[in-house]
Amino acid sequence: GNSVTQMEGPVTLSEEAFLTINCTYTATGYPSLFWYVQYPGEGLQLLLKATKADDKGSNKGFEATYRKETTSFHLEKGSVQVSDSAVYFCALSDKAAGNKLTFGGGTRVLVKP
Amino acid sequence: IAGITQAPTSQILAAGRRMTLRCTQDMRHNAMYWYRQDLGLGLRLIHYSNTAGTTGKGEVPDGYSVSRANTDDFPLTLASAVPSQTSVYFCASSDSMGGYTFGSGTRLTVV
Repeated sequence: GNSVTQMEGPVTLSEEAFLTINCTYTATGYPSLFWYVQYPGEGLQLLLKATKADDKGSNKGFEATYRKETTSFHLEKGSVQVSDSAVYFCALSDKAAGNKLTFGGGTRVLVKP
Repeated sequence: IAGITQAPTSQILAAGRRMTLRCTQDMRHNAMYWYRQDLGLGLRLIHYSNTAGTTGKGEVPDGYSVSRANTDDFPLTLASAVPSQTSVYFCASSDSMGGYTFGSGTRLTVV
């Protein structure tokens, strides 16, 4: 079956530091890949997505590239802000599984001023 | 209403009691989902519905039931709550392109 593995947190950074959150996946088909963000007390919001190999998703300074050869979709941001403190979820959807989302365990990021 | 509305926002429930979590969407999305969120486990799919009148089991369906009488509503029922069902529950819907919208969640504590 499909699965997503992401690095465990919490990740604590200083403002303006570089952020990387690793994500790898296993899928039977050709999935679409997503990063969702959850701010404290809120639901999940789509941060970025990529639908095919070598696509790069980007939003709000965050980027992730769909790497089929390494089955990875690592999230990066060059200079984080305190407002980036949140929980980040890597996820995939697969047409063979009816487009249902499969999530990783989530990574809590705390950015200190 | 804009997007997905979940109710209640939070609830403390005695073990053995019956509870229905409500979910309503106004986007006319065909597909709807219930997930539970537990620390370190991410979100796990409980039940889903691809269209009104149909439902299916997700990854962790035991102890839960759903119904989909119309497009807008997708209630989740715990027939007899147990402490292991303490969690945060998220309802979601998706459009024909697979774009998901999530509700703000219901925090449930079973004591």
